[in-house]
Amino acid sequence: NAGVMQNPRHLVRRRGQEARLRCSPMKGHSHVYWYRQLPEEGLKFMVYLQKENIIDESGMPKERFSAEFPKEGPSILRIQQVVRGDSAAYFCASSTGTGLEKLFFGSGTQLSVL
Amino acid sequence: AQRVTQPEKLLSVFKGAPVELKCNYSYSGSPELFWYVQYSRQRLQLLLRHISRESIKGFTADLNKGETSFHLKKPFAQEEDSAMYYCALRDSNYQLIWGAGTKLIIKP
Repeated sequence: NAGVMQNPRHLVRRRGQEARLRCSPMKGHSHVYWYRQLPEEGLKFMVYLQKENIIDESGMPKERFSAEFPKEGPSILRIQQVVRGDSAAYFCASSTGTGLEKLFFGSGTQLSVL
Repeated sequence: AQRVTQPEKLLSVFKGAPVELKCNYSYSGSPELFWYVQYSRQRLQLLLRHISRESIKGFTADLNKGETSFHLKKPFAQEEDSAMYYCALRDSNYQLIWGAGTKLIIKP
């Protein structure tokens, strides 16, 4: 079991472009969480998904950001028309349920917006 | 407001010295608290949680409701303890609220 896989590790975009971040949860995990970490700050919850459902997106900006977790394939965090303020580390975590003590993290994607 | 505060961005101690990483929280309900650790070039991983009252790698953390704290302690630091440490609180929606993290450096 390779664990939670995130790709790419580093993503560079120019302002106005789209960024797609992928997260493949651990085998057997159907719950995915996305977090954002700005420099010098803690992780901030963005969105919680189960297969084909968004359970809680209260931490995600209403505009430009979207997330999905299809029946097949990885979870995708999509940022449209990126701005410099979107530069951050984006972490994905997965679990078998709501037990956060069983949360497993990916290595993160570092997004840099030029 | 729900909040987790780790007042120290950086903590540097000598090998063999005691370590205390501070964590204070603000939460209206009954908190459930965690410590996560991220070693260099590794993923964030759970270190311990207050419910289990366990000691992992020599670390312990006691929930002090009076002081609203959940400090992480180890009596004798080892070089391999150098890492980023994050305190987190689980809210009523089963989401984690994170502190900003403390970078622990153990000097030889």
